[in-house]
Amino acid sequence: RKEVEQDPGPFNVPEGATVAFNCTYSNSASQSFFWYRQDCRKEPKLLMSVYSSGNEDGRFTAQLNRASQYISLLIRDSKLSDSATYLCVVMGDDKIIFGKGTRLHILP
Amino acid sequence: DGGITQSPKYLFRKEGQNVTLSCEQNLNHDAMYWYRQDPGQGLRLIYYSQIVNDFQKGDIAEGYSVSREKKESFPLTVTSAQKNPTAFYLCASSPRSGIWNEQFFGPGTRLTVL
Repeated sequence: RKEVEQDPGPFNVPEGATVAFNCTYSNSASQSFFWYRQDCRKEPKLLMSVYSSGNEDGRFTAQLNRASQYISLLIRDSKLSDSATYLCVVMGDDKIIFGKGTRLHILP
Repeated sequence: DGGITQSPKYLFRKEGQNVTLSCEQNLNHDAMYWYRQDPGQGLRLIYYSQIVNDFQKGDIAEGYSVSREKKESFPLTVTSAQKNPTAFYLCASSPRSGIWNEQFFGPGTRLTVL
């Protein structure tokens, strides 16, 4: 099993729809989890941290499921500007592992 | 404005030459990091530093070197020993030491070795 896995997509979603991404990780001792978005040929930008209790920021909701070892990102009422690649990051045991990213295309 | 700057944005070098990539931050962050990103790949950690005058190897440190003489600066040297240096190099910083905190990235340097 890879250390961190994401569905590469692309996800082609109509504007206004809800879309969800998952990211699985293999190290049960992982401590910190984040979602970043990366636009084409740009640097990653922090979207949100992920906690077991869930974390919501406007249209975005992130969740951690330690038992099943995955994190999720839900985007509601998607906008054209949400088109990007979404990266999950898992940290722990002195390691920082980035997923390869899931590409999202919001269609008008 | 506080932030992380990397220079240059694009860099071309001949094979066999060493090259140094600049990373500066004025956020007063303790920790700094270097990553490389190849097409279709996740970011991979090269080196990180949690405090001035100290740094640790990441997953792919071979062929690279760093220094952390000042809190705000963390330059990366890509040496001729690095077999595939062409990549997108990203510098990041984090408010606190300890590598499990959120990181903020600079705009990156695209290095092409001819």
